[in-house]
Amino acid sequence: AQKITQTQPGMFVQEKEAVTLDCTYDTSDPSYGLFWYKQPSSGEMIFLIYQGSYDQQNATEGRYSLNFQKARKSANLVISASQLGDSAMYFCAMREGRDSNYQLIWGAGTKLIIKP
Amino acid sequence: DAMVIQNPRYQVTQFGKPVTLSCSQTLNHNVMYWYQQKSSQAPKLLFHYYDKDFNNEADTPDNFQSRRPNTSFCFLDIRSPGLGDAAMYLCATSRDGLSNLYNEQFFGPGTRLTVL
Repeated sequence: AQKITQTQPGMFVQEKEAVTLDCTYDTSDPSYGLFWYKQPSSGEMIFLIYQGSYDQQNATEGRYSLNFQKARKSANLVISASQLGDSAMYFCAMREGRDSNYQLIWGAGTKLIIKP
Repeated sequence: DAMVIQNPRYQVTQFGKPVTLSCSQTLNHNVMYWYQQKSSQAPKLLFHYYDKDFNNEADTPDNFQSRRPNTSFCFLDIRSPGLGDAAMYLCATSRDGLSNLYNEQFFGPGTRLTVL
C-alpha cells in the first residue's frame, strides 16, 4: 500500500492565486514527521516545511503553510499568492519514528505550473 | 555558505564504463545519502552513511557502490553503467540523532548521468 499519496500529477494555477497541493499518508506509527520539498527544473531539492505528528499547530513558513488534518491523515501544502517562480515539482514525504534507518518515504510528486 | 556540493553537474559515460560521482558537504552532518531520480519520479534511496556505518537499501543493485573516506566527502561508484542507470543522482545530508524525527535533508544540485 502506498504510504504517501499525491493525487494530483499536475496542476495549472493562475499567478497570484493560492494553490493547495494534496498529500495523504498512511502509518500506524503515532510518531512521524511530514515534509514538503520543491524541485525546480534545475534539479535541486529544496526543503519547504515540516509538520510533526504531535505538533498542535499547523506549520507555516512565509507563503507556505501546511493544512494538517491528523484524523484524515492529510498534510496538504498551501501556497499563498503564487508566483511564476513557484513552478516546480512538489514532493510530500514522511519519516516514521520507528524507522531507525532515517528513511524518507516519498510521494510521486505534483508538477505545478504557474500561468502568467 | 554551508552547502552540499556535487561534481560534476553533468556526466556522460559509455555503456559499461565505470563512473564515479562525488559529493562534499560543509555542514558537518553525520548522515549522507545517495538517491537516484528518474524523470518525473520521486527520488529513490540507494544507500546512506550514518557516520562511517554504511547502510545499503535491499533493492540497490550491486553495480552501485559507495565510499565515505571522511565526514565531508562521499562517492558513488557505478561499476558498469547500463542504459537504465541514466538518471539524476542526488546527494543529501542530515544531522541525525536516534530520537530526532525532524530529519531535514539538505540536497546538493545533483549530477545528471547520461549513458551512451
